[in-house]
Amino acid sequence: DSGVTQTPKHLITATGQRVTLRCSPRSGDLSVYWYQQSLDQGLQFLIQYYNGEERAKGNILERFSAQQFPDLHSELNLSSLELGDSALYFCASSVGAGVETQYFGPGTRLLVL
Amino acid sequence: ELKVEQNPLFLSMQEGKNYTIYCNYSTTSDRLYWYRQDPGKSLESLFVLLSNGAVKQEGRLMASLDTKARLSTLHITAAVHDLSATYFCAVDLYNNNDMRFGAGTRLTVKP
Repeated sequence: DSGVTQTPKHLITATGQRVTLRCSPRSGDLSVYWYQQSLDQGLQFLIQYYNGEERAKGNILERFSAQQFPDLHSELNLSSLELGDSALYFCASSVGAGVETQYFGPGTRLLVL
Repeated sequence: ELKVEQNPLFLSMQEGKNYTIYCNYSTTSDRLYWYRQDPGKSLESLFVLLSNGAVKQEGRLMASLDTKARLSTLHITAAVHDLSATYFCAVDLYNNNDMRFGAGTRLTVKP
């Protein structure tokens, strides 16, 4: 158990809908990272937040947004969902803002029908 | 555009043997990560390599980074079944925390 929690574990929704994925980092970690893993695109880094501020941005679509709250949990919002958004979404956390070991959550499996 | 290429993509090896997984990338970066993923599971960080010539070892795995050659290797020594997993490398694009992943190497270690 990495200490990173994600909810929900599974999510089934329809095209055009909006969903919110939640991540709670390990105690004491200030950074949260979001990743997408799909058969088509492989693993992709989406975005990083550090202590409430956006720190780095990867291949995140404009339909997707994220935020980190004062209690350091983070939410990833996916809107106008398309079939191709079906994937595993992982979050990870680390202590600092820079390069270091990340601890991954169990993931949320999203299926868009 | 950054390309991160791992090879081989599939590797079947016998217990006790040695092998190396390669990760080539196409642009400037001094930071490279290796991860492990078991089937149906999440990711686990293995190594963080931060400079040219960096070498890190953990058990039967050793990772190295040559930034001039834009190459990282993950060497497996005397493989055991428990090492069966998919291994990913990721390059930090322009040292900016924007990580780009390779396609992964699926390793199977057979008795």
